[in-house]
Amino acid sequence: DTAVSQTPKYLVTQMGNDKSIKCEQNLGHDTMYWYKQDSKKFLKIMFSYNNKELIINETVPNRFSPKSPDKAHLNLHINSLELGDSAVYFCASSQDRALGGYTFGSGTRLTVV
Amino acid sequence: DQQVKQNSPSLSVQEGRISILNCDYTNSMFDYFLWYKKYPAEGPTFLISISSIKDKNEDGRFTVFLNKSAKHLSLHIVPSQPGDSAVYFCAASARDSGTYKYIFGTGTRLKVLA
Repeated sequence: DTAVSQTPKYLVTQMGNDKSIKCEQNLGHDTMYWYKQDSKKFLKIMFSYNNKELIINETVPNRFSPKSPDKAHLNLHINSLELGDSAVYFCASSQDRALGGYTFGSGTRLTVV
Repeated sequence: DQQVKQNSPSLSVQEGRISILNCDYTNSMFDYFLWYKKYPAEGPTFLISISSIKDKNEDGRFTVFLNKSAKHLSLHIVPSQPGDSAVYFCAASARDSGTYKYIFGTGTRLKVLA
């Protein structure tokens, strides 16, 4: 029974398209995150929601829009995809101040061609 | 500006020996540190943490050491096993920042040779 699940696992799409990545956690955690791992392997935070409220919004193009319909879901929508958006996107969740760390999903590898 | 650095991209160690993975940070406000382990095609999994009020935390074969004055932490794995072969990330957070944000290093790929 997967704790943090993301779909799809792989996504190949053309420049200019709009795509969404979905994330769900069944851990009862209050906080969810999106991280991006680029080609240089940097894992950088993009967004975080706590109980459906946006609490972290890093410097990310406004083509990226997170949506949290409830505290168990945090989806990422990307408009007008660009080549530089190609990366692995990880969803994660945590309880409270994440003193126990995050629980990550297995990642979505996005390739923009 | 990379606040958390893992300067060794890879490390090879013989099975049974000690693996030492290093991590340096620049932000003196960081007061909580984590190590994660990542296998290919999987998300990182939490391994061990340490608060800045401690200088050592041990969990089985894994020990994390924190040197606040040097802004340096290290993860020791002893004895190393082939199943430990993975990418290891350190992460740091400032708990008083009011957010839940961890800054990650770029990872060190550990290969344990049988």
